[in-house]
Amino acid sequence: EAGVAQSPRYKIIEKRQSVAFWCNPISGHATLYWYQQILGQGPKLLIQFQNNGVVDDSQLPKDRFSAERLKGVDSTLKIQPAKLEDSAVYLCASSLDWGLTSTEAFFGQGTRLTVV
Amino acid sequence: QQPVQSPQAVILREGEDAVINCSSSKALYSVHWYRQKHGEAPVFLMILLKGGEQKGHDKISASFNEKKQQSSLYLTASQLSYSGTYFCGTEINNAGNMLTFGGGTRLMVKP
Repeated sequence: EAGVAQSPRYKIIEKRQSVAFWCNPISGHATLYWYQQILGQGPKLLIQFQNNGVVDDSQLPKDRFSAERLKGVDSTLKIQPAKLEDSAVYLCASSLDWGLTSTEAFFGQGTRLTVV
Repeated sequence: QQPVQSPQAVILREGEDAVINCSSSKALYSVHWYRQKHGEAPVFLMILLKGGEQKGHDKISASFNEKKQQSSLYLTASQLSYSGTYFCGTEINNAGNMLTFGGGTRLMVKP
């Protein structure tokens, strides 16, 4: 079974530039999560989709971050414009979870973003 | 809403035991435990659902006390491969679950 795919693996941009990350979840997984993990900290949930609907985006800085999940499958996370404090690893995860029970989340390898 | 983990860091010798705690200010539906090695993605260990269950996985087990809104991860006879950062993730309900992680516990097992 293929895992969660993310690209790119690494990205270096200057502040005020824009950047986009892509995630392809495991086939059949209804729930998709985007997390921001700053070095030395736990993953912080940015947005959670169930199919193509947003379950929660309360911690997404909506003035600069946006995310979409096309047709309930792939997802993109965009930052525009980037700030120095956005430097982090952006993790995508997916789970079978349809909201009826709790299932494990499978994580991608992440995209390491450095803003200079 | 973020769960609180303790301790923040643990150093063990091979064969020693450790306990990592996770507590929440809100009633919990489930607790997830993950381990992350440096530069890698978090890897799932186990899920505990409300009902006060306990689970085991080789020499790693966990308990969930829903009344106290706490979970503990038990590492028995630790091995070098146990080194990494352990995260608990919590869900407060089973409708549109939000999986929220604690700050992590760094575990180092030395020979």
